Amino acid sequence: RKEVEQDPGPFNVPEGATVAFNCTYSNSASQSFFWYRQDCRKEPKLLMSVYSSGNEDGRFTAQLNRASQYISLLIRDSKLSDSATYLCVVNRLGNQFYFGTGTSLTVIP
Amino acid sequence: DTGVSQNPRHKITKRGQNVTFRCDPISEHNRLYWYRQTLGQGPEFLTYFQNEAQLEKSRLLSDRFSAERPKGSFSTLEIQRTEQGDSAMYLCASSVDRAPNTGELFFGEGSRLTVL
Repeated sequence: RKEVEQDPGPFNVPEGATVAFNCTYSNSASQSFFWYRQDCRKEPKLLMSVYSSGNEDGRFTAQLNRASQYISLLIRDSKLSDSATYLCVVNRLGNQFYFGTGTSLTVIP
Repeated sequence: DTGVSQNPRHKITKRGQNVTFRCDPISEHNRLYWYRQTLGQGPEFLTYFQNEAQLEKSRLLSDRFSAERPKGSFSTLEIQRTEQGDSAMYLCASSVDRAPNTGELFFGEGSRLTVL
């Protein structure tokens, strides 16, 4: 079983829409959780960390449910510039980072 | 530029040849990671160093793959007797383990390997 599973999409949404991505992880010992963004032919970059209480950064909201081993990312008021692949990442014991396959988002004018 | 630097950016080689990639992490980062990414997939963990010590290796890393970080600074990833299935983007990332630790991995732009 994969450490991190994501729906690969693609998600094609109009500008201004709200879109949600989900991710599950298999190991309950996972300690840290992140969403990374990867633009086409570029390296992944940290979008935001995910905390147990949930956290928000502008139009982006991340949630963590440890009991269900489930992580989500909500993007409100989608912009064209949000088009990218969103990678769910978990970290166990502060060492290895496990990446999901990524969810592709295209925001359409 | 103080980011993670990788070279070469692109390598084309014939099957059976050896290739070596270099990664220069952010200078104060003591952790260094190698990942491999193919089209449509997320980065797959290959190996990880804390300073000069190689602490973990993925089962994906066959005997043909070897990585070093001799002085705890730059790292090299060598692939011997390349196969077409080795064609991928090889990503290097670095991080720190000192507080304040956001857990953020900083990636280089990657080295793309094409095996003919």
